[in-house]
Amino acid sequence: EPEVTQTPSHQVTQMGQEVILRCVPISNHLYFYWYRQILGQKVEFLVSFYNNEISEKSEIFDDQFSVERPDGSNFTLKIRSTKLEDSAMYFCASQEARETQYFGPGTRLLVL
Amino acid sequence: GQNIDQPTEMTATEGAIVQINCTYQTSGFNGLFWYQQHAGEAPTFLSYNVLDGLEEKGRFSSFLSRSKGYSYLLLKELQMKDSASYLCAVRDSGGGADGLTFGKGTHLIIQP
Repeated sequence: EPEVTQTPSHQVTQMGQEVILRCVPISNHLYFYWYRQILGQKVEFLVSFYNNEISEKSEIFDDQFSVERPDGSNFTLKIRSTKLEDSAMYFCASQEARETQYFGPGTRLLVL
Repeated sequence: GQNIDQPTEMTATEGAIVQINCTYQTSGFNGLFWYQQHAGEAPTFLSYNVLDGLEEKGRFSSFLSRSKGYSYLLLKELQMKDSASYLCAVRDSGGGADGLTFGKGTHLIIQP
């Protein structure tokens, strides 16, 4: 069964550094998403991406964040100048047409 | 904006039935989802309702009343492995690229 994959599974970085989180969505899916979940809190929507551009973004997704689909398979989230409060689990999700969103296993980001 | 409420924690007995309720107040509505999340893992899709009524899928059923802003997830023949958090999420009206707004989740504890 096709699934969303994410790398790395864990990332530790120093405050102020840049990180890139990578995702490979399910191959025939058209919509791509990033969510985050701070430990013990709810899953929060960051951004959605369709037809090679951002479709929707939340208040959390400020200028510190950017997304890219550099080729036909990868979907990346870049966080510039990380802050302590960026420590969270970051989930990528993909969706075929107007169907269900399927989540990847997540990247646990720890900012020191 | 969206507001989604669900109980923080519930306890049930192995083999029994449990109903997890979710109420939502939204400016728009384009579907309600239930996900299961084990600690430290990604949300896993359980069910999707966009029209009023009951959707059944094996041991899991989900009900939606759009006029009441209400949904429930029914789990039958509970097993120990059903101990997890159950997340209610709403997709806002609009295009298929809309992100999901999640509730805080209901932590379900299954006792022998």
